[in-house]
Amino acid sequence: DVKVTQSSRYLVKRTGEKVFLECVQDMDHENMFWYRQDPGLGLRLIYFSYDVKMKEKGDIPEGYSVSREKKERFSLILESASTNQTSMYLCASSTRASGRYIQYFGAGTRLSVL
Amino acid sequence: AQRVTQPEKLLSVFKGAPVELKCNYSYSGSPELFWYVQYSRQRLQLLLRHISRESIKGFTADLNKGETSFHLKKPFAQEEDSAMYYCALSGGAGGTSYGKLTFGQGTILTVHP
Repeated sequence: DVKVTQSSRYLVKRTGEKVFLECVQDMDHENMFWYRQDPGLGLRLIYFSYDVKMKEKGDIPEGYSVSREKKERFSLILESASTNQTSMYLCASSTRASGRYIQYFGAGTRLSVL
Repeated sequence: AQRVTQPEKLLSVFKGAPVELKCNYSYSGSPELFWYVQYSRQRLQLLLRHISRESIKGFTADLNKGETSFHLKKPFAQEEDSAMYYCALSGGAGGTSYGKLTFGQGTILTVHP
């Protein structure tokens, strides 16, 4: 059973703080993703990584960066948190099986920036 | 650019009634379409995908390329179907898509007893 674990379920941070959101997967998946989930907007892709140290911007990368030093771990970094980054953040991983990809999601981290 | 539209934010039906959650997409190539579901206090999980042409929990979805739609249907809704439903599109398994997903805005389905 695929397991994607996000280190924190809830986080409260102050404006201007540097924030790290951690995600670990245990299925040796090549690809990992960070989304934010907002009511009425659905899930929007922030960044993804297709290999260790490889990353690509998603649809809304501004204000975020990522790090993937090991295959199983993908970190999302808010360099200077702002109130408009208050959201639910979802991590996902995927691999190619039978020529297709399926994404598996973590439970999410609800971040509040005060 | 690829886009997924779910026109209904909220959908309410009574138990036993048919339900249809609408999804329209725009994509220039051959997309893969998915429905994901998020039950209360649970993580987002795959419900079904068009390539499998399967029925999961009584739900089916047919890809209509002419109308660029992938509506989710169930003939008799159950209370346990109450959840948030997302339609999602991937640009296929080839090239550099890496299975990236573009999601719709989501539809909250409430099934009343």
